[in-house]
Amino acid sequence: AQSVSQHNHHVILSEAASLELGCNYSYGGTVNLFWYVQYPGQHLQLLLKYFSGDPLVKGIKGFEAEFIKSKFSFNLRKPSVQWSDTAEYFCAVSPAGKLIFGQGTTLQVKP
Amino acid sequence: KAGVTQTPRYLIKTRGQQVTLSCSPISGHRSVSWYQQTPGQGLQFLFEYFSETQRNKGNFPGRFSGRQFSNSRSEMNVSTLELGDSALYLCASSLALGHTNTEAFFGQGTRLTVV
Repeated sequence: AQSVSQHNHHVILSEAASLELGCNYSYGGTVNLFWYVQYPGQHLQLLLKYFSGDPLVKGIKGFEAEFIKSKFSFNLRKPSVQWSDTAEYFCAVSPAGKLIFGQGTTLQVKP
Repeated sequence: KAGVTQTPRYLIKTRGQQVTLSCSPISGHRSVSWYQQTPGQGLQFLFEYFSETQRNKGNFPGRFSGRQFSNSRSEMNVSTLELGDSALYLCASSLALGHTNTEAFFGQGTRLTVV
């Protein structure tokens, strides 16, 4: 079955620390890849997406992700987090007509 | 441009009742998908409608159904509610069927509590 696995369920960082959230998926065909963020009390928002082309994609608020096809991975990175990045982060793939989400990673950034 | 609008925002229902949730997509978007979000199961796909037809369905019982109108607005219905149906129900709209090479825009969700 198609699935998405996020390595970390809860991450706590201090401001200015670097962030990397892991995401692996299981699907052998062509996929669209996404990272969504859910700030407290707000709706899911798209951080970045990969459809094709350059495997290093840049999103909003300084986030970027790298698609490594051979590893079925799409890890999210940010060089320096801020307190306002405190949120839940979801990796998702869209292999065939629907979004399959990972379980989410709660990021807590301490000021 | 207005975003995806879901109504109502909160609902409390009793076991055995039925409920209807509404979703208005972004203007021009013809695809509407529904997702259930719970702490235990995360975000799970319910179904997708495109041009008034259900195009894709997740692994939910037949008590969960939906429809889409000619103006792309969509409704989701859950009959014979169970306690386990308590969840945040999210609607997403996008330009293309199956989110193919396009992103999904999510609404604020409807928080359903079954007592």
